Amino acid sequence: TAGITQAPTSQILAAGRSMTLRCTQDMRHNAMYWYRQDLGLGLRLIHYSNTAGTTGKGEVPDGYSVSRANTDDFPLTLASAVPSQTSVYFCASSEAAARSEQFFGPGTRLTVL
Amino acid sequence: GQNIDQPTEMTATEGAIVQINCTYQTSGFNGLFWYQQHAGEAPTFLSYNVLDGLEEKGRFSSFLSRSKGYSYLLLKELQMKDSASYLCAVQDSNYQLIWGAGTKLIIKP
Repeated sequence: TAGITQAPTSQILAAGRSMTLRCTQDMRHNAMYWYRQDLGLGLRLIHYSNTAGTTGKGEVPDGYSVSRANTDDFPLTLASAVPSQTSVYFCASSEAAARSEQFFGPGTRLTVL
Repeated sequence: GQNIDQPTEMTATEGAIVQINCTYQTSGFNGLFWYQQHAGEAPTFLSYNVLDGLEEKGRFSSFLSRSKGYSYLLLKELQMKDSASYLCAVQDSNYQLIWGAGTKLIIKP
């Protein structure tokens, strides 16, 4: 079982360019999440989706957008990248939004120059 | 505001016991999670507490006191592979996880 996959593994991006980080899960989980992890800080929620067709803003949503057209896929788009978006991005999923453990993908390391 | 506090780094000896503390202040409480994260890898789930008391799972135990806003993760019979960061996270009233910055645990032979 693959669980959650993310692509790409890493990327160097020029400032001002757009990019979509891909996330796919095969566990039929209802809820999905995008986090960023920066040194010295806890994971910070960017956007989430409690079920297919719905999305919500997390703690740090500015500069990012998401869509949830189906249960399995939850892409994250940076419309115009800035250096402060350099980070490690983790996608996660859980069976339900409430009181369920989250399963994480392997992460995407993004550098914006 | 919402806040999760845990020590930045701890050192322990192989075979010993270590306790990692976590204190929290959040808008609502729907459970506390502990995750393990090895360097360069994704977090993996260790434990979940929603009621007061101790939950034991093999060499790992987790304790919760909701009235004190306090939890700890207890690791027994430490092994070198336990060297990792341990993340405390609280699910708030909106069912979003609020994460601590993590405790880096260094195990020495």
